[in-house]
Amino acid sequence: DVVMTQSPLSLPVTLGQPASISCRSSQSLVHSNGNTYLSWFQQRPGQSPRRLIYKVSNRDSGVPDRFSGSGSDTDFTLNISRVEAEDVGVYYCMQGTHWPGLSFGGGTKVEI
Amino acid sequence: QVQPVDSGGGLVKPGGSLRLSCVVSGFTFSDHYMSWIRQAPGKGLELISYIGKISSPTYYADSVRGRFTISRDNAKNSLYLQMNSLRAEDTAVYYCARVIDSSIDHWGQGTLVTVSS
Repeated sequence: DVVMTQSPLSLPVTLGQPASISCRSSQSLVHSNGNTYLSWFQQRPGQSPRRLIYKVSNRDSGVPDRFSGSGSDTDFTLNISRVEAEDVGVYYCMQGTHWPGLSFGGGTKVEI
Repeated sequence: QVQPVDSGGGLVKPGGSLRLSCVVSGFTFSDHYMSWIRQAPGKGLELISYIGKISSPTYYADSVRGRFTISRDNAKNSLYLQMNSLRAEDTAVYYCARVIDSSIDHWGQGTLVTVSS
């Protein structure tokens, strides 16, 4: 199974400042079809997870453009250009390249 | 609007059974794989099962294989999870979610399952 490792576990942030979360996979996430299936999710306190990014860098509809995803192969990053109060929560990466077991990272808690 | 609605959670004794349901609207249910993902209290996300468009293939995580059964009824836009031989470690919020293009997009609101004597 592919293991997804996120860092840091906890990320204290300052409003208006940038923030960055790392996600590393134990195997390359490049699929034989050329796509890389790495997604990012945000879970605000008391809410269901919400997808922010798919295939490394594609933002979902309605996601603010201060969120961006980057990376390749086994090393990926979620960036928040200027943190806002509503960005507090836990962020998860997930790989969808290696089936059958789609796997999540352990999560990064973003707090002000 | 795409919206899965989970239900069926509750308090059950160890060794007991429970059946979760998820009704979806806003998209053609039969066009998509569907999944169950759980989150133990204060913990991360775990994909425990998914099912193909016409009930095949199915997948189960090692933690639930042999005890849980996923199924779907495309005529009713519904997804199910039959959970047997429940253990304390199965205590979690269970989410129904759509699988799309090797990712997961729309999640239900979650239903809490508590296994305790």
